[in-house]
Amino acid sequence: NAGVTQTPKFQVLKTGQSMTLQCAQDMNHNSMYWYRQDPGMGLRLIYYSASEGTTDKGEVPNGYNVSRLNKREFSLRLESAAPSQTSVYFCASSNGGRGLIGTEAFFGQGTRLTVV
Amino acid sequence: EDQVTQSPEALRLQEGESSSLNCSYTVSGLRGLFWYRQDPGKGPEFLFTLYSAGEEKEKERLKATLTKKESFLHITAPKPEDSATYLCAVHGNQFYFGTGTSLTVIP
Repeated sequence: NAGVTQTPKFQVLKTGQSMTLQCAQDMNHNSMYWYRQDPGMGLRLIYYSASEGTTDKGEVPNGYNVSRLNKREFSLRLESAAPSQTSVYFCASSNGGRGLIGTEAFFGQGTRLTVV
Repeated sequence: EDQVTQSPEALRLQEGESSSLNCSYTVSGLRGLFWYRQDPGKGPEFLFTLYSAGEEKEKERLKATLTKKESFLHITAPKPEDSATYLCAVHGNQFYFGTGTSLTVIP
C-alpha cells in the first residue's frame, strides 16, 4: 500500500523556469492538499481540493496553480519559479474537509525544491 | 487572531525520562486539535485528534490531553525511536500548524 506518492523528491530550478509537482494517492480519499514547509514556520496550505474538478485557494496560493486530474491525482504547478518558492512541498490526502477534521491525513514524503 | 504556539522548540531527554510538550492556541471556536509526528526528510504522520476540553487519547508511550487553551503531549519513558519533531495543528476559522517541538531521546 503506497499511500501518498510525490514526484520528484528533489529539484533545482533556475529563476523563471516552470515545473509541475505530481501527487497520487491510492486510499480513495476525496480531499487532497498541497502544503509548503519552511524553517521556523508551520506547514502552510497552498491549495486544497475537495473532489475531482474542484480546487480552492489556501493561505499562500500566489505563484502556484493546481489541477485535480481525477480522484487519485493532484498536481501543483509553478509557472515562473522564484527564489521565495524554495521550500519543501508536501501533498496530503484525507476524507476530511479543509481542516482535515475527524480523519487521518496522510502525507507524502515531500519534494525539496531549490530555486536559484 | 487565531494562533498556535508550541513549546519548547527543542527538547533533549535521557531514555526513560518522561516529559511533556505543549501546544497553546487561540482560535475562534475550536473544531479540532491534531498531533503529528515528523521524522527528518519525511512527511508528517498523524497521531491524534482531540475535539473538546477534557478529552484524552493514548498510543503506546504517548498521551495527548486538551484544555480550553492548550494541549499537552505527554511522553512516558521515551525511547530513542521517539526522537522526531512533533507538530500540533488546530482548526478554528482556518487550519493552522505550529512550528513543532524537536525531540531528541538519548540512549
